[in-house]
Amino acid sequence: GAVVSQHPSWVICKSGTSVKIECRSLDFQATTMFWYRQFPKQSLMLMATSNEGSKATYEQGVEKDKFLINHASLTLSTLTVTSAHPEDSSFYICSAREGGGSETQYFGPGTRLLVL
Amino acid sequence: GQNIDQPTEMTATEGAIVQINCTYQTSGFNGLFWYQQHAGEAPTFLSYNVLDGLEEKGRFSSFLSRSKGYSYLLLKELQMKDSASYLCAVLDSNYQLIWGAGTKLIIKP
Repeated sequence: GAVVSQHPSWVICKSGTSVKIECRSLDFQATTMFWYRQFPKQSLMLMATSNEGSKATYEQGVEKDKFLINHASLTLSTLTVTSAHPEDSSFYICSAREGGGSETQYFGPGTRLLVL
Repeated sequence: GQNIDQPTEMTATEGAIVQINCTYQTSGFNGLFWYQQHAGEAPTFLSYNVLDGLEEKGRFSSFLSRSKGYSYLLLKELQMKDSASYLCAVLDSNYQLIWGAGTKLIIKP
């Protein structure tokens, strides 16, 4: 149980284009989903927290107009990196929390983004 | 401020036992998590402690002392596949997860 998928696993794009990453909880309903970014050999950095049906809460320093998050259903959240630039190249990981007293976050496999 | 400390790197021998410590100072406490992260992969959940004491799960055990702000992850009968980073994370009073920087564990034959 508690499986989270992410798609795509790899994406290479040109500078200036937008990239959408999907995060799905496959066998449970996730009241809350989280988006993290991790640069090589660095810690996980929380970008934003999203609750189904409401606006995401962004961490300080994360541009909400650049990283658009939509949590349209209890099993799907999307992160769109708009007008991507090379410095946005990173490992993006989502996690999902079932709620209802369970605080455990289950992570998706991550998406590697390379912006040329 | 909120702070989680764990060693940056540890080395152990295959078949041996290793203990990875984590100390924390956070605004409130609602539980402590341990995650394993292999290089290039996302973290996977190992354990969650909210009460004092030792929780055993196969070769892995996790201990918590809330009064000391201290936890450890104990790995027994080490295997080469246990080479990974181990992340300690604390849920604070606002139910925000505060992450440690992780401990890179290197297993040698």
